Amino acid sequence: QKEVEQNSGPLSVPEGAIASLNCTYSDRGSQSFFWYRQYSGKSPELIMSIYSNGDKEDGRFTAQLNKASQYVSLLIRDSQPSDSATYLCAVILRGTGGTSYGKLTFGQGTILTVHP
Amino acid sequence: AAGVIQSPRHLIKEKRETATLKCYPIPRHDTVYWYQQGPGQDPQFLISFYEKMQSDKGSIPDRFSAQQFSDYHSELNMSSLELGDSALYFCASSSPSLAGVYYEQYFGPGTRLTVT
Repeated sequence: QKEVEQNSGPLSVPEGAIASLNCTYSDRGSQSFFWYRQYSGKSPELIMSIYSNGDKEDGRFTAQLNKASQYVSLLIRDSQPSDSATYLCAVILRGTGGTSYGKLTFGQGTILTVHP
Repeated sequence: AAGVIQSPRHLIKEKRETATLKCYPIPRHDTVYWYQQGPGQDPQFLISFYEKMQSDKGSIPDRFSAQQFSDYHSELNMSSLELGDSALYFCASSSPSLAGVYYEQYFGPGTRLTVT
């Protein structure tokens, strides 16, 4: 079992719809959570960071964190064709002995396609 | 805003050759991370540096070495290259952590290494 898992894709939504992406992680002590967007052949682009339970909104994006259930999600409202990409959930796990040095552990990614 | 700079962007080497990848972090970022991403895979952590010292090490082959210099730029040296080393190599930088919470990592454009 991967330490960070994303809901299986690919995910296809019509333009203007809400896209929902989910991610679970294994380490209950994790404190830092991120969503990256990656276009094919390009580098991961940071979309959202979230550190506390609850919702965090930034424009059309909303990240939700539930540490008790060990999941983090990303909602994309009013999806646009330009949102079509792979979305990577990344977590800074606590690490062996409770020590973390900040490395990101990624989920396998969810491919999102927004069709006109 | 200044971003992470990586060079070269593309590199073609033959088996058993040596390659050097360079990374220039965002100004005032003192932590650098290196990741490797194979085709269709999520990025995998290789190594990280904080204040010019190695802070963490992942699944990095012994053939690879890296360092961070006094101006905070970092270099990844890869020797005895193998076909399986062909991948995208990303460098990411972040600002100092606070109270054990690690903050956003910003990725450079990457170096595409092809070993023939």
